[in-house]
Amino acid sequence: DTGVSQDPRHKITKRGQNVTFRCDPISEHNRLYWYRQTLGQGPEFLTYFQNEAQLEKSRLLSDRFSAERPKGSFSTLEIQRTEQGDSAMYLCASSLVVTSGYNEQFFGPGTRLTVL
Amino acid sequence: QKEVEQNSGPLSVPEGAIASLNCTYSDRVSQSFFWYRQYSGKSPELIMSIYSNGDKEDGRFTAQLNKASQYVSLLIRDSQPSDSATYLCASLHERGGGNKLTFGTGTQLKVEL
Repeated sequence: DTGVSQDPRHKITKRGQNVTFRCDPISEHNRLYWYRQTLGQGPEFLTYFQNEAQLEKSRLLSDRFSAERPKGSFSTLEIQRTEQGDSAMYLCASSLVVTSGYNEQFFGPGTRLTVL
Repeated sequence: QKEVEQNSGPLSVPEGAIASLNCTYSDRVSQSFFWYRQYSGKSPELIMSIYSNGDKEDGRFTAQLNKASQYVSLLIRDSQPSDSATYLCASLHERGGGNKLTFGTGTQLKVEL
């Protein structure tokens, strides 16, 4: 069990640039989640996938944000035309859900984004 | 009103004491609850999950759930300096098949020598 991995771990970009983050979930997990965390706050839900299907998106996920999980394995989160307010830790989590209500989500190390 | 509320702390306890962390939630639909530990600059680490009323023990950790009072707690026995971290309480919503976690802002725990 290698855990959830994320790449890159840190990203510094200039306002207006596009950035893309990658998440590799725990191999047998069928669900993959993206959250965002800012200083002093708990993680906030952005979106999640069941296998390759994106089933829910938060209001926080503006049109500049897009996520994919093309083959039901790894996922990418892209932010277009970054703004300083996008600076945060982007967290990926995965879970194996076989029974409703039992859903332990395990987080990766996160990607810390700084928009200058 | 936030959906999941925690006292931000810091909560300071001496080494060897019991640390008691509390959390309340507003959505009665929530079925499952989780405690995550987060060290500064790191990602959250799952330490306890609880799904039914009562207590659940795992090593030095005990999670308590009272759905009637909409209250979740985490007890840490024999607190160690390595337990110093922020503890995040989260509830799971399954409305319409969604499975998002809603987190509180976390309670900072400091275990003092």
